[in-house]
Amino acid sequence: DTAVSQTPKYLVTQMGNDKSIKCEQNLGHDTMYWYKQDSKKFLKIMFSYNNKELIINETVPNRFSPKSPDKAHLNLHINSLELGDSAVYFCASSQDIPSGGIDTQYFGPGTRLTVL
Amino acid sequence: KNQVEQSPQSLIILEGKNCTLQCNYTVSPFSNLRWYKQDTGRGPVSLTIMTFSENTKSNGRYTATLDADTKQSSLHITASQLSDSASYICVVSSLTSGTYKYIFGTGTRLKVLA
Repeated sequence: DTAVSQTPKYLVTQMGNDKSIKCEQNLGHDTMYWYKQDSKKFLKIMFSYNNKELIINETVPNRFSPKSPDKAHLNLHINSLELGDSAVYFCASSQDIPSGGIDTQYFGPGTRLTVL
Repeated sequence: KNQVEQSPQSLIILEGKNCTLQCNYTVSPFSNLRWYKQDTGRGPVSLTIMTFSENTKSNGRYTATLDADTKQSSLHITASQLSDSASYICVVSSLTSGTYKYIFGTGTRLKVLA
């Protein structure tokens, strides 16, 4: 069984459209994350939820809205897609709230979003 | 400014050889430092996590070191294998005003040749 899964794997869409990416983890973790990896392979955290509560919200356009229906799911909805949104989006999960200690994050396989 | 810089940007070595990847950071306050391996087309996989008090940690053929005084870390790969070909990403986390920040390096792309 895949620990952290994302759908879809690939998403090609037109500028201005609204799209969603889904993420599910079956590890029983309390914390989930969304990351964006741009064309230069630079990873950047976008959001983090702990038990359905938003705990990290980096400087991300408000066109991006995470939704956590339960602690095993964290979906990412993007409104009015722009060319610059093209990237690979990774979901991840960890056991606990990010701490100075050890909270190993497990990443999903990524969703490659292409905005035309 | 919080930054994480990795070197070299890319590296090619022969199978069986050792190599060392570098990570220098200016992140403050420091919480922990992580090394990830990312295969092409896959998500990152955690290799090591080190806190301030740790100066070395191993995971199989991977050994990470941390010098919190000089703000440097290295990842040493012993007896490289073809499967080590990947990008290696250094991440430093920082706790500021009760919120954790994750600062990512741009990675080192390693290619191991037969």
